[in-house]
Amino acid sequence: DTAVSQTPKYLVTQMGNDKSIKCEQNLGHDTMYWYKQDSKKFLKIMFSYNNKELIINETVPNRFSPKSPDKAHLNLHINSLELGDSAVYFCASSPWEDTNEKLFFGSGTQLSVL
Amino acid sequence: QQQVKQSPQSLIVQKGGISIINCAYENTAFDYFPWYQQFPGKGPALLIAIRPDVSEKKEGRFTISFNKSAKQFSLHIMDSQPGDSATYFCAASEALYNTDKLIFGTGTRLQVFP
Repeated sequence: DTAVSQTPKYLVTQMGNDKSIKCEQNLGHDTMYWYKQDSKKFLKIMFSYNNKELIINETVPNRFSPKSPDKAHLNLHINSLELGDSAVYFCASSPWEDTNEKLFFGSGTQLSVL
Repeated sequence: QQQVKQSPQSLIVQKGGISIINCAYENTAFDYFPWYQQFPGKGPALLIAIRPDVSEKKEGRFTISFNKSAKQFSLHIMDSQPGDSATYFCAASEALYNTDKLIFGTGTRLQVFP
C-alpha cells in the first residue's frame, strides 16, 4: 500500500486552464503539505495543513487553492494555469508531534503547462 | 534569499569511494537538520537527521557531521554504491509560530560509477 499517493502522475494542459491534483495519505498523519519542485530541483513549501486547518501559506499566488476535505486528503486546485506553473508538485504528510521532522512524500505530479 | 546553501551541485564518485556533500546555513534558530534522498521519478525520503546538540550521527554507511560554530553540516557516504546514485537534499527546520517549517537546500546529484 502506498503511504502517500497523489494523482495524476503527469498532467499536461494548456495555459489558462484549471486543474486539480489529488493527494491521500493512509499513515494516519495529522499534517499534510504541498511542495513545489522547479526545473532546477529546488523544493519549496507551498502549504501546510493540520487536521484540515491551514497552518502555513507561503507567498503562493491565490490561483493556487488547497482543499482538505478530511485529514487524510489534501487536494490542490490551480486556476488559470500559467507557463511558470510547470513543475513537479509533491504532496507530503507528517505526524503532528514530528511536524516537519519526518516528512513522507508522494511520488509527485509533473505538471506541464503549454 | 537561499537560507540553506548546498554544494556541490553534482558529484561523481567511483564505487567504494566516499561521497561528501556540504551545507551551510545562516539562521541560528534552526535546530533540526535532516538529509533527504530522492530517486528519479520519486519523492524525497528521509535518510538521516541530526540536532545541534551532537557533532556527528552515523547510520550504516551514512554519517552527518555538524559544526555549530561554523553553521555547517555535511553528509558523508562511505563505500559509495551505484544504488546510492540519487539527488540528496539537506534541510533545516525553523520554528515559526510554533510550527516547524522545513527549508531545503538546492540539492546535489550524486552519480556513483562501478
